[in-house]
Amino acid sequence: GAVVSQHPSRVICKSGTSVKIECRSLDFQATTMFWYRQFPKQSLMLMATSNEGSKATYEQGVEKDKFLINHASLTLSTLTVTSAHPEDSSFYICSAFPSGRANEQFFGPGTRLTVL
Amino acid sequence: AQRVTQPEKLLSVFKGAPVELKCNYSYSGSPELFWYVQYSRQRLQLLLRHISRESIKGFTADLNKGETSFHLKKPFAQEEDSAMYYCALKGEGAQKLVFGQGTRLTINP
Repeated sequence: GAVVSQHPSRVICKSGTSVKIECRSLDFQATTMFWYRQFPKQSLMLMATSNEGSKATYEQGVEKDKFLINHASLTLSTLTVTSAHPEDSSFYICSAFPSGRANEQFFGPGTRLTVL
Repeated sequence: AQRVTQPEKLLSVFKGAPVELKCNYSYSGSPELFWYVQYSRQRLQLLLRHISRESIKGFTADLNKGETSFHLKKPFAQEEDSAMYYCALKGEGAQKLVFGQGTRLTINP
């Protein structure tokens, strides 16, 4: 089956620093990946669609300069939370689908970000 | 606008009882509907999708366009069904999913 990994699984940082989260498709290529944010006991909220070789598409209300997305290869997308603040603390999840299988998204295990 | 509503945040049933998790959607065209499940300490995974008309782990879901619903059902609940369930919608020609708020299902022994 298709596997998506995320690194790190958990990160704690100081307010004002930047944090990078990686999302990798381990056994398939993904031209498109998605980044979600999940608050405690709430649903997944799509932040942006990451497109290999082009700019990400952000959802309304998501700050592009705050959440930088880079999809430099067919197996890796990164999300950088810049100048993180405590309100950015959340669970960040990525997903991807193999080419030709757009109906089946595979999710990463998530990254727990805590900003002190 | 695309919207998915799961009216129940929490649902608790006894083992062996039937279970139904409700999902209603708002979409002007012909959407694709999915159910995703997240077991404790595990990642989100696809449970079933309406286009495949399959039964997974005893669960079924029928798309009712008239009622704009995609309720998830299982005739006899098992303890291992305890999990968080999310209904999701994908619009025509779209790649992204819109998720409902989720329902936490607890199966009591």
